[in-house]
Amino acid sequence: QKEVEQNSGPLSVPEGAIASLNCTYSDRGSQSFFWYRQYSGKSPELIMSIYSNGDKEDGRFTAQLNKASQYVSLLIRDSQPSDSATYLCAVIQGAQKLVFGQGTRLTINP
Amino acid sequence: EAGVAQSPRYKIIEKRQSVAFWCNPISGHATLYWYQQILGQGPKLLIQFQNNGVVDDSQLPKDRFSAERLKGVDSTLKIQPAKLEDSAVYLCASRGGADTQYFGPGTRLTVL
Repeated sequence: QKEVEQNSGPLSVPEGAIASLNCTYSDRGSQSFFWYRQYSGKSPELIMSIYSNGDKEDGRFTAQLNKASQYVSLLIRDSQPSDSATYLCAVIQGAQKLVFGQGTRLTINP
Repeated sequence: EAGVAQSPRYKIIEKRQSVAFWCNPISGHATLYWYQQILGQGPKLLIQFQNNGVVDDSQLPKDRFSAERLKGVDSTLKIQPAKLEDSAVYLCASRGGADTQYFGPGTRLTVL
Protein backbone atom coordinates (compact mmCIF):
# COMPACT_ATOMS: atom_id res chain seq x y z
CA GLN A 1 0.00 0.00 0.00
CA LYS A 2 1.36 3.39 -0.97
CA GLU A 3 1.74 5.92 1.81
CA VAL A 4 -0.29 8.54 -0.06
CA GLU A 5 -2.56 7.52 -2.91
CA GLN A 6 -4.23 9.63 -5.56
CA ASN A 7 -6.01 8.80 -8.78
CA SER A 8 -3.52 9.85 -11.47
CA GLY A 9 -6.30 10.91 -13.83
CA PRO A 10 -6.50 12.65 -16.13
CA LEU A 11 -9.60 14.26 -14.70
CA SER A 12 -11.49 16.36 -17.19
CA VAL A 13 -14.00 18.95 -15.96
CA PRO A 14 -15.97 21.56 -17.92
CA GLU A 15 -15.28 25.22 -17.20
CA GLY A 16 -17.45 26.55 -14.40
CA ALA A 17 -18.07 23.12 -12.85
CA ILE A 18 -16.74 21.73 -9.57
CA ALA A 19 -13.55 19.67 -9.72
CA SER A 20 -13.17 17.08 -6.97
CA LEU A 21 -9.76 15.61 -6.16
CA ASN A 22 -9.27 12.80 -3.68
CA CYS A 23 -6.41 11.40 -1.62
CA THR A 24 -6.00 8.64 0.95
CA TYR A 25 -3.09 8.11 3.31
CA SER A 26 -1.85 5.14 5.30
CA ASP A 27 -0.26 6.66 8.44
CA ARG A 28 -2.98 7.14 11.08
CA GLY A 29 -0.64 9.36 13.09
CA SER A 30 -0.45 12.03 10.37
CA GLN A 31 -1.70 15.43 11.50
CA SER A 32 -0.81 17.83 8.69
CA PHE A 33 -2.12 17.69 5.14
CA PHE A 34 -1.41 19.80 2.09
CA TRP A 35 -2.51 20.32 -1.48
CA TYR A 36 0.07 21.57 -3.95
CA ARG A 37 -0.56 22.65 -7.52
CA GLN A 38 2.09 21.99 -10.13
CA TYR A 39 1.94 23.44 -13.62
CA SER A 40 3.82 21.59 -16.33
CA GLY A 41 7.53 22.32 -16.09
CA LYS A 42 7.15 24.26 -12.84
CA SER A 43 7.72 23.46 -9.19
CA PRO A 44 4.92 22.69 -6.72
CA GLU A 45 3.16 25.62 -5.07
CA LEU A 46 1.10 25.33 -1.91
CA ILE A 47 -2.59 26.09 -2.31
CA MET A 48 -4.16 24.65 0.84
CA SER A 49 -3.19 23.19 4.19
CA ILE A 50 -5.56 21.47 6.63
CA TYR A 51 -5.01 20.09 10.10
CA SER A 52 -8.47 19.45 11.60
CA ASN A 53 -11.39 17.28 10.55
CA GLY A 54 -13.96 19.07 8.46
CA ASP A 55 -13.83 21.68 5.73
CA LYS A 56 -11.48 24.59 5.16
CA GLU A 57 -12.36 27.14 2.52
CA ASP A 58 -10.10 29.61 0.72
CA GLY A 59 -11.67 31.41 -2.19
CA ARG A 60 -12.72 28.86 -4.80
CA PHE A 61 -10.84 26.07 -3.01
CA THR A 62 -12.18 23.86 -0.21
CA ALA A 63 -10.10 21.20 1.49
CA GLN A 64 -11.87 18.42 3.37
CA LEU A 65 -10.28 16.13 5.94
CA ASN A 66 -11.61 12.95 7.52
CA LYS A 67 -8.97 11.42 9.77
CA ALA A 68 -11.13 8.42 10.71
CA SER A 69 -11.34 7.45 7.04
CA GLN A 70 -7.77 8.68 6.33
CA TYR A 71 -9.12 10.73 3.49
CA VAL A 72 -8.37 14.22 2.20
CA SER A 73 -10.06 15.96 -0.70
CA LEU A 74 -9.87 19.22 -2.60
CA LEU A 75 -12.83 20.87 -4.27
CA ILE A 76 -12.36 23.60 -6.84
CA ARG A 77 -15.52 25.60 -7.51
CA ASP A 78 -16.17 27.54 -10.71
CA SER A 79 -13.26 25.79 -12.41
CA GLN A 80 -11.21 27.91 -14.77
CA PRO A 81 -8.87 26.85 -17.60
CA SER A 82 -6.03 28.29 -15.49
CA ASP A 83 -6.77 25.57 -12.90
CA SER A 84 -5.51 22.94 -15.37
CA ALA A 85 -2.49 21.45 -13.63
CA THR A 86 -1.36 18.46 -11.61
CA TYR A 87 -2.57 18.52 -8.01
CA LEU A 88 -0.35 16.85 -5.43
CA CYS A 89 -1.63 15.66 -2.08
CA ALA A 90 1.05 15.64 0.64
CA VAL A 91 1.09 14.40 4.21
CA ILE A 92 3.61 15.06 6.96
CA GLN A 93 5.01 11.95 8.61
CA GLY A 94 7.50 11.73 11.44
CA ALA A 95 9.96 14.63 11.82
CA GLN A 96 8.43 16.94 9.23
CA LYS A 97 8.90 14.47 6.38
CA LEU A 98 6.53 15.44 3.57
CA VAL A 99 5.25 12.44 1.61
CA PHE A 100 3.58 13.13 -1.72
CA GLY A 101 1.05 11.22 -3.74
CA GLN A 102 1.68 10.73 -7.44
CA GLY A 103 -0.58 13.63 -8.34
CA THR A 104 -3.85 13.97 -10.25
CA ARG A 105 -3.72 15.67 -13.62
CA LEU A 106 -6.69 18.02 -13.98
CA THR A 107 -7.86 19.51 -17.26
CA ILE A 108 -10.55 22.22 -17.37
CA ASN A 109 -12.27 22.32 -20.73
CA PRO A 110 -13.53 25.71 -21.96
CA GLU B 1 11.16 37.96 0.44
CA ALA B 2 13.36 36.11 -2.03
CA GLY B 3 12.37 32.51 -2.74
CA VAL B 4 14.42 29.34 -2.87
CA ALA B 5 17.15 29.59 -5.50
CA GLN B 6 18.54 26.65 -7.43
CA SER B 7 21.14 26.24 -10.13
CA PRO B 8 21.64 25.15 -12.76
CA ARG B 9 18.10 25.01 -14.16
CA TYR B 10 18.98 22.38 -16.72
CA LYS B 11 21.81 19.87 -17.03
CA ILE B 12 22.54 17.21 -19.62
CA ILE B 13 25.26 14.66 -18.92
CA GLU B 14 26.27 11.21 -20.06
CA LYS B 15 25.94 8.19 -17.82
CA ARG B 16 28.84 7.62 -15.44
CA GLN B 17 29.60 11.35 -15.35
CA SER B 18 29.21 13.37 -12.17
CA VAL B 19 26.96 16.37 -11.55
CA ALA B 20 26.27 18.81 -8.73
CA PHE B 21 23.26 20.94 -7.92
CA TRP B 22 23.17 23.99 -5.68
CA CYS B 23 20.39 25.36 -3.48
CA ASN B 24 20.05 28.58 -1.51
CA PRO B 25 17.03 28.47 0.82
CA ILE B 26 14.83 31.32 1.97
CA SER B 27 16.74 33.45 4.43
CA GLY B 28 16.31 32.23 7.99
CA HIS B 29 14.84 28.84 7.08
CA ALA B 30 16.55 26.20 9.16
CA THR B 31 15.17 23.15 7.37
CA LEU B 32 16.19 22.25 3.84
CA TYR B 33 14.99 19.37 1.70
CA TRP B 34 16.11 17.77 -1.55
CA TYR B 35 13.49 15.90 -3.59
CA GLN B 36 13.68 13.86 -6.75
CA GLN B 37 10.70 14.06 -9.09
CA ILE B 38 10.57 11.57 -11.92
CA LEU B 39 8.20 12.42 -14.76
CA GLY B 40 4.62 11.48 -13.89
CA GLN B 41 5.34 10.95 -10.21
CA GLY B 42 5.17 13.02 -7.06
CA PRO B 43 8.35 14.37 -5.48
CA LYS B 44 10.29 11.86 -3.39
CA LEU B 45 12.35 13.04 -0.43
CA LEU B 46 16.06 12.33 -0.78
CA ILE B 47 17.45 14.14 2.24
CA GLN B 48 16.34 16.55 4.95
CA PHE B 49 18.67 18.91 6.81
CA GLN B 50 17.98 20.78 10.03
CA ASN B 51 20.59 23.57 10.05
CA ASN B 52 23.70 21.65 8.98
CA GLY B 53 22.68 18.27 10.42
CA VAL B 54 20.96 15.43 8.54
CA VAL B 55 17.48 14.55 9.85
CA ASP B 56 16.47 11.96 7.25
CA ASP B 57 18.48 10.46 4.40
CA SER B 58 16.79 7.06 4.34
CA GLN B 59 15.87 7.32 0.65
CA LEU B 60 19.18 8.74 -0.56
CA PRO B 61 21.11 6.22 -2.73
CA LYS B 62 24.30 6.71 -0.77
CA ASP B 63 26.46 4.70 -3.16
CA ARG B 64 26.13 7.48 -5.72
CA PHE B 65 24.37 10.46 -4.13
CA SER B 66 25.80 12.79 -1.54
CA ALA B 67 24.63 16.07 -0.05
CA GLU B 68 26.01 18.63 2.31
CA ARG B 69 24.84 21.82 3.92
CA LEU B 70 27.87 23.64 5.19
CA LYS B 71 27.23 26.47 7.67
CA GLY B 72 23.53 25.62 7.70
CA VAL B 73 22.62 27.77 4.70
CA ASP B 74 23.41 26.71 1.10
CA SER B 75 23.33 23.07 0.12
CA THR B 76 24.85 20.97 -2.63
CA LEU B 77 23.57 17.65 -3.96
CA LYS B 78 25.99 15.51 -5.97
CA ILE B 79 25.55 12.44 -8.12
CA GLN B 80 28.61 10.37 -8.98
CA PRO B 81 28.43 8.37 -11.19
CA ALA B 82 25.10 9.17 -12.82
CA LYS B 83 22.80 6.47 -14.21
CA LEU B 84 20.08 6.74 -16.82
CA GLU B 85 17.41 6.34 -14.12
CA ASP B 86 18.66 9.49 -12.39
CA SER B 87 16.99 11.59 -15.10
CA ALA B 88 14.51 13.67 -13.13
CA VAL B 89 13.83 17.11 -11.72
CA TYR B 90 15.70 17.77 -8.49
CA LEU B 91 13.75 20.09 -6.24
CA CYS B 92 15.05 21.95 -3.23
CA ALA B 93 12.63 23.19 -0.59
CA SER B 94 13.01 25.07 2.66
CA ARG B 95 10.87 25.53 5.73
CA GLY B 96 10.84 28.08 8.53
CA GLY B 97 8.96 27.66 11.80
CA ALA B 98 5.64 26.53 10.35
CA ASP B 99 4.77 23.40 8.40
CA THR B 100 4.84 24.95 4.94
CA GLN B 101 7.64 24.01 2.58
CA TYR B 102 8.56 26.39 -0.23
CA PHE B 103 10.02 24.94 -3.38
CA GLY B 104 12.68 26.27 -5.69
CA PRO B 105 12.34 26.14 -9.49
CA GLY B 106 14.15 22.80 -9.71
CA THR B 107 17.00 21.44 -11.81
CA ARG B 108 16.03 19.24 -14.73
CA LEU B 109 18.67 16.53 -15.19
CA THR B 110 18.89 14.45 -18.33
CA VAL B 111 21.30 11.50 -18.32
CA LEU B 112 22.13 10.14 -21.79
